[in-house]
Amino acid sequence: DAKTTQPPSMDCAEGRAANLPCNHSTISGNEYVYWYRQIHSQGPQYIIHGLKNNETNEMASLIITEDRKSSTLILPHATLRDTAVYYCIALSGYALNFGKGTSLLVTP
Amino acid sequence: DAGVTQSPTHLIKTRGQQVTLRCSPKSGHDTVSWYQQALGQGPQFIFQYYEEEERQRGNFPDRFSGHQFPNYSSELNVNALLLGDSALYLCASTIRLANEQFFGPGTRLTVL
Repeated sequence: DAKTTQPPSMDCAEGRAANLPCNHSTISGNEYVYWYRQIHSQGPQYIIHGLKNNETNEMASLIITEDRKSSTLILPHATLRDTAVYYCIALSGYALNFGKGTSLLVTP
Repeated sequence: DAGVTQSPTHLIKTRGQQVTLRCSPKSGHDTVSWYQQALGQGPQFIFQYYEEEERQRGNFPDRFSGHQFPNYSSELNVNALLLGDSALYLCASTIRLANEQFFGPGTRLTVL
């Protein structure tokens, strides 16, 4: 599975959009991009995934660049409950291996 | 609808001992995966069970073994515990090997 690179930490004001970037420049054609998050002291939570097209669900939007070398997870109106570590994973098989992720702090 | 449950929540063992952790998947799920999360790190894949067979295994030694029962619940066994095995052990379940996995709260294992 392709290596992903994420900034170690980000801040976002409550009510604003949080845009979390992920670089996966070596991603192959059959690898999906998955996003999970982990709130302190809980197990990870699935957010969204995509292959080529942009995706949106009730939690977030996923924007994948045309060359698929990077993506951005967008939380449209961040709340304090969105404070968590966000993981971006490029995957073609079944083994989710999480990197260190981005620690997002949403502030009042 | 019960989510993924794990037992025990906390466990303390000494080096060389053996430990068994248990997981019940979310209702309707038939696939169980196990992960190890060391302090400050992301979870690392140990193995996955589907139809009572180990389908895929991560880079973990044979000291780590597992089992899936006909009711889809699963056990993780670790033999000859090392200090480095201290971690949060997470169980996740899904349907038919899908990657949208639901995680349990984990078992915190401390090896002294």
